[in-house]
Amino acid sequence: DAGVIQSPRHEVTEMGQEVTLRCKPISGHNSLFWYRQTMMRGLELLIYFNNNVPIDDSGMPEDRFSAKMPNASFSTLKIQPSEPRDSAVYFCASSRNTDTQYFGPGTRLTVL
Amino acid sequence: EDQVTQSPEALRLQEGESSSLNCSYTVSGLRGLFWYRQDPGKGPEFLFTLYSAGEEKEKERLKATLTKKESFLHITAPKPEDSATYLCAVQASSGTYKYIFGTGTRLKVLA
Repeated sequence: DAGVIQSPRHEVTEMGQEVTLRCKPISGHNSLFWYRQTMMRGLELLIYFNNNVPIDDSGMPEDRFSAKMPNASFSTLKIQPSEPRDSAVYFCASSRNTDTQYFGPGTRLTVL
Repeated sequence: EDQVTQSPEALRLQEGESSSLNCSYTVSGLRGLFWYRQDPGKGPEFLFTLYSAGEEKEKERLKATLTKKESFLHITAPKPEDSATYLCAVQASSGTYKYIFGTGTRLKVLA
């Protein structure tokens, strides 16, 4: 199995630009999670989907963040407009229902 | 409020010097406690799941144990390649899929 795939691995953008992060979960997994990791706050859950439906988005910082899962094999996290405080590593993870979550390699986002 | 606290924040060991990492938690009913290893620039890598007090899991030099209030990750005769950040997470039994993560213990094993 290829594991969770994320792209891009690194993203550098300027404040105010739109950023789109992509994730392909492990085949057969029906739950998908987006996390943000910073030195100050550690790993924070932003949103998670079950069977392509958003279940809990209480961790999404504000309206500038949005996430979609149009099908079982693809999800996006979008930030528009981006701000320097959004700089972090963003992880996608997937699981089969409430079983163990498996993480992707992450996208390191830098907003200048 | 569900909470996870890991200690120490950082730990330096000599190769072969055994030690333990602590994960204390408060959760409204525990479904599972998870240990992950994270290397710099990589995503967390799953190590263990523990479900009930008294349960133990082992993998090479690592052994995880669970009580009603905390979990320990014991590292026996560590090697430099064991250097990483070790993360603990809990999942409540209320049907949620969410994990609550601790901030991790940064382990450095010196040759």
